Amino acid sequence: DAKTTQPTSMDCAEGRAANLPCNHSTISGNEYVYWYRQIHSQGPQYIIHGLKNNETNEMASLIITEDRKSSTLILPHATLRDTAVYYCIVRVQNTGNQFYFGTGTSLTVIP
Amino acid sequence: DADVTQTPRNRITKTGKRIMLECSQTKGHDRMYWYRQDPGLGLRLIYYSFDVKDINKGEISDGYSVSRQAQAKFSLSLESAIPNQTALYFCATSLGPNTEAFFGQGTRLTVV
Repeated sequence: DAKTTQPTSMDCAEGRAANLPCNHSTISGNEYVYWYRQIHSQGPQYIIHGLKNNETNEMASLIITEDRKSSTLILPHATLRDTAVYYCIVRVQNTGNQFYFGTGTSLTVIP
Repeated sequence: DADVTQTPRNRITKTGKRIMLECSQTKGHDRMYWYRQDPGLGLRLIYYSFDVKDINKGEISDGYSVSRQAQAKFSLSLESAIPNQTALYFCATSLGPNTEAFFGQGTRLTVV
């Protein structure tokens, strides 16, 4: 069963911030939230992950709500190369700690 | 050179044939995974291994088997390929329980 819910698709203007939401209302206290993206049919690319605090790296920021039931991935200045499918993943602890992918959000960056 | 390498990148095979997909990694990670992806869907876990003596079934292991020949090598076999195993297959590695996974570029398998 999917542990995350994401919109099927989103558009974003080039140069603007892209905000991708994710709901994970059944997340457990020790489960991390990961974000990956997949461009065309390439291998998924790691973006960022976090537990409860907000995180930032050179690619993106991750904002996790205080109750941890949802999060938002922020791409601060979207470019055409950010067009991809973005997966929000809760890393399940009770089945060997695996990554379970849902269907993700297809982000299109518009010139 | 890629950290996670899959061979072959593309393969067409006939129904009933045995086929092996290979994965090797240079990251020194103990954990390795095989996933499949069908058009328009996310990745589904087939098998995973935490070290050379540890093999575990994922959510869709029926019709597949794996071999962990060494820390760096993890192979996926289809003993008797069938058309509904046509898919994109990905290998991945990770260092530990709360670290990111690194994916190979995928193998596109077509069973005719």
